[in-house]
Amino acid sequence: KAGVTQTPRYLIKTRGQQVTLSCSPISGHRSVSWYQQTPGQGLQFLFEYFSETQRNKGNFPGRFSGRQFSNSRSEMNVSTLELGDSALYLCASSPRRDSHDGYTFGSGTRLTVV
Amino acid sequence: GDSVTQMEGPVTLSEEAFLTINCTYTATGYPSLFWYVQYPGEGLQLLLKATKADDKGSNKGFEATYRKETTSFHLEKGSVQVSDSAVYFCALYKEYGNKLVFGAGTILRVKS
Repeated sequence: KAGVTQTPRYLIKTRGQQVTLSCSPISGHRSVSWYQQTPGQGLQFLFEYFSETQRNKGNFPGRFSGRQFSNSRSEMNVSTLELGDSALYLCASSPRRDSHDGYTFGSGTRLTVV
Repeated sequence: GDSVTQMEGPVTLSEEAFLTINCTYTATGYPSLFWYVQYPGEGLQLLLKATKADDKGSNKGFEATYRKETTSFHLEKGSVQVSDSAVYFCALYKEYGNKLVFGAGTILRVKS
């Protein structure tokens, strides 16, 4: 079956712009989480969605937001981009809220802010 | 708060050498533990997992045992291949918070 699909794969934006990233989870997976990966901070949790509701949020400013649709697809949005937002953004899905079996990750969206 | 500490890399080995990447964690309760691998230009792939103390996770020749007494989950492989070159991340998961907490990652380079 198809894996977690993230689009686009690469994105270049200018400071001050906003960006929307998309994630389609594995069919039947209802939980979607987002992580930011940077060389300096490593992998950091952004937020988690389940049944179209944000259930948990990491320590990021309000410029970072997201949503989940009824088909479990998710988008995350970053407004007023800063140079420090340049990162690989990873989406992960799992069948249930509790994920003791682990998450399945997508290939990520590489965002570069210039 | 919860945290994961991995040995710093890069780790450089010759093909067929024995691999150990150390991982220790700090967490209350009973987390599940994971090793993920990231190849260049790709996302994370789940390598193996263990959900309770003394469980051994294994996959593709890699093994790790959940040691609660030493709060460790060290990754081992008896004979590495060039194709094992990647970044390896140790992570823990707890239902409270419902998120993965990752270590900093360890770069593994295997020379032929």
